[in-house]
Amino acid sequence: AQSVTQPDIHITVSEGASLELRCNYSYGATPYLFWYVQSPGQGLQLLLKYFSGDTLVQGIKGFEAEFKRSQSSFNLRKPSVHWSDAAEYFCAVLPSGGYNKLIFGAGTRLAVHP
Amino acid sequence: NAGVMQNPRHLVRRRGQEARLRCSPMKGHSHVYWYRQLPEEGLKFMVYLQKENIIDESGMPKERFSAEFPKEGPSILRIQQVVRGDSAAYFCASSSSDGRGSYGYTFGSGTRLTVV
Repeated sequence: AQSVTQPDIHITVSEGASLELRCNYSYGATPYLFWYVQSPGQGLQLLLKYFSGDTLVQGIKGFEAEFKRSQSSFNLRKPSVHWSDAAEYFCAVLPSGGYNKLIFGAGTRLAVHP
Repeated sequence: NAGVMQNPRHLVRRRGQEARLRCSPMKGHSHVYWYRQLPEEGLKFMVYLQKENIIDESGMPKERFSAEFPKEGPSILRIQQVVRGDSAAYFCASSSSDGRGSYGYTFGSGTRLTVV
């Protein structure tokens, strides 16, 4: 079945530490890939997206993500986390065929210790 | 250039009442999507609409829920005879074509429905 998996429900890091949030997808063909961030009580903000081309994509707020076809993964990274990065992060895919329907993972809640 | 506008931001309804959630897409966007986020969960697709057409409603509960996107005016998500389990955040997104353009989907700030 088609799915998007974010294996880590909660992650806690210290401010200044590096961060990697995992995302795996299960689709027949390479979908379009997105990372969104949601602060408490707020809507979703697009961090970055991958459609094609360079597999390392840069986003806003110092985030980047790397698409690895062999692993069906699109992990989000940041070299140095700031306290303001505490939020929930969602990986999403847009299947390459059929109707357009953005499919979300369950999310990873990031806490940042001072 | 306003983004996706959703109103109200917060809505409280008693069990059995109707809830009407409105979504005005970004200017120039003709595709609207509704998602529901239950507490502590991710976003679940509900329905995809274009002007005057429902394209995909595979995520909509079979009863009590309906959606429309008329030729003029906002998209409306309507929940009849609300129950406590309908309490959630409802997000609307819009796109200009098939969502694969440079900007993909743009999300609104959501409507938080509380059923008491």
